[in-house]
Amino acid sequence: QVRLQESGPGLVKPSQTLSLTCIVSGGSVNSGRYSWNWIRQSAGKGLEWIGRIYTSGSTNYNPFLKSRVTISIDTSKNQFSLKLTSVTAADTAVYYCARGILNSWSSGVWFDPWGQGTLVTVSS
Amino acid sequence: DIVLTQTPLSLSVTPGQPASISCKSSQSLLHSDGKTYLYWYLQKPGQPPQLLIYEVSYLFSGVPDRFSGSGSGTDFTLKISRVEAEDFGVYYCMQNIQLPWTFGQGTKVEIK
Repeated sequence: QVRLQESGPGLVKPSQTLSLTCIVSGGSVNSGRYSWNWIRQSAGKGLEWIGRIYTSGSTNYNPFLKSRVTISIDTSKNQFSLKLTSVTAADTAVYYCARGILNSWSSGVWFDPWGQGTLVTVSS
Repeated sequence: DIVLTQTPLSLSVTPGQPASISCKSSQSLLHSDGKTYLYWYLQKPGQPPQLLIYEVSYLFSGVPDRFSGSGSGTDFTLKISRVEAEDFGVYYCMQNIQLPWTFGQGTKVEIK
């Protein structure tokens, strides 16, 4: 059974960089059928998809964050990471990592499983 | 970006009674491959969202058949035939026909 667990600082100062890692256990990140995603949830904006990465290193980002976000993957450690630069209070949210599963008979992708989420607060 | 608008934003339901949630999309979610990429998730308190329905009407593994999804194009509905205690939480629709993937604002289903 695949499990995902987010790790990283719960408090980041404004203008600094938010860095989170998602550790994958019970399965490998090295699979072409999956994408590895970051999603965040804030009280003000609900659920927001941040971006995804494939084992190949190919990425897609949400344009509203694109200039500040980097997602990377480390297959040797079976984990992937999120970096968000120049954070402000608006980046305060619960950050989730999630596996994206490509439907075998369509182009559809669903998220399963998700990590439990980690609250990141941006404050001085 | 595709905007998904859910109604109602909150719903108070007596256990055993039915419930229905609407999700309207700002653009058609019908792909050129003939499939429609609309999903429903349920988030229980303190937990991440969990998939209920994929591609409008297909129940994810382990999801009870009291849940059903329907719709086409831009209008979609999630129905619960008889709400049970474990069904309370916040329901979200989501699209992945077009990047960036987007979610509805959520519908909170509470016990009456």
